[in-house]
Amino acid sequence: DGGITQSPKYLFRKEGQNVTLSCEQNLNHDAMYWYRQDPGQGLRLIYYSQIVNDFQKGDIAEGYSVSREKKESFPLTVTSAQKNPTAFYLCASSISGTYTEAFFGQGTRLTVV
Amino acid sequence: AQRVTQPEKLLSVFKGAPVELKCNYSYSGSPELFWYVQYSRQRLQLLLRHISRESIKGFTADLNKGETSFHLKKPFAQEEDSAMYYCALKGSGAGSYQLTFGKGTKLSVIP
Repeated sequence: DGGITQSPKYLFRKEGQNVTLSCEQNLNHDAMYWYRQDPGQGLRLIYYSQIVNDFQKGDIAEGYSVSREKKESFPLTVTSAQKNPTAFYLCASSISGTYTEAFFGQGTRLTVV
Repeated sequence: AQRVTQPEKLLSVFKGAPVELKCNYSYSGSPELFWYVQYSRQRLQLLLRHISRESIKGFTADLNKGETSFHLKKPFAQEEDSAMYYCALKGSGAGSYQLTFGKGTKLSVIP
C-alpha cells in the first residue's frame, strides 16, 4: 500500500523535552516537506528537502531540526527551544520537477503538557 | 520571497450559487500554482494545477499574471464542495521545491 505515513497520530510532550515526529514515504519521491498547521494560519513551511542529505529552512524553522539520511524518511525534531510547539504537523512528499503534486500524510497532533 | 494571500477566511454560499475563492501571489519568477482541498477528516489533496487548465469537480482556475491572481471558480456550488481550500505556489530556480500555502478559505455551502 503506497503512500506517506506519519506517526504517531497523537503525541504528548512535557515542556522542556525534545520530541521527534516520524514521516515515511514509499512513493520514491525526492522532495519532502514539513508544515505546521494552526487555526487561521494555514500551512506554514518548517523545513523541506530536495534530495538525501540536503534540506533547507522554511519560513518558521526556529526551534525545529530535521535530517534526511534516507530517501524515504524525513523525521522532524521539535526542540525545547520551540516556544509554541502545540500544533498539528503535516508531512508531504513530491516527485522532483515542475508541476508535480505533493502528497500529504494524515498528520501528527502534538500537545505540550 | 514568495507569498500567497487568500483574503477570505470563510465563504458561505447557497447551493447552486456561483463560487469564487480568491488567491493572490507574490513571486518574482515564473510560478507554479495549485489549489489543494481538505475535506472533513481527510488528507489534504490536490484539486488542480494551473498548467493543466482542466476542470476538476466543476472547478476551474485561471492564472492572471498581470493581476498575480489564481482565483478558483465554480458556476454552481454543491453541498459536497464544503471544505477548506488552500492556494499554493511552488517557485522556480533556486527555490524550486519550496511549496508555499495561503492561510486557506473555508467554503460552506448552505443547502
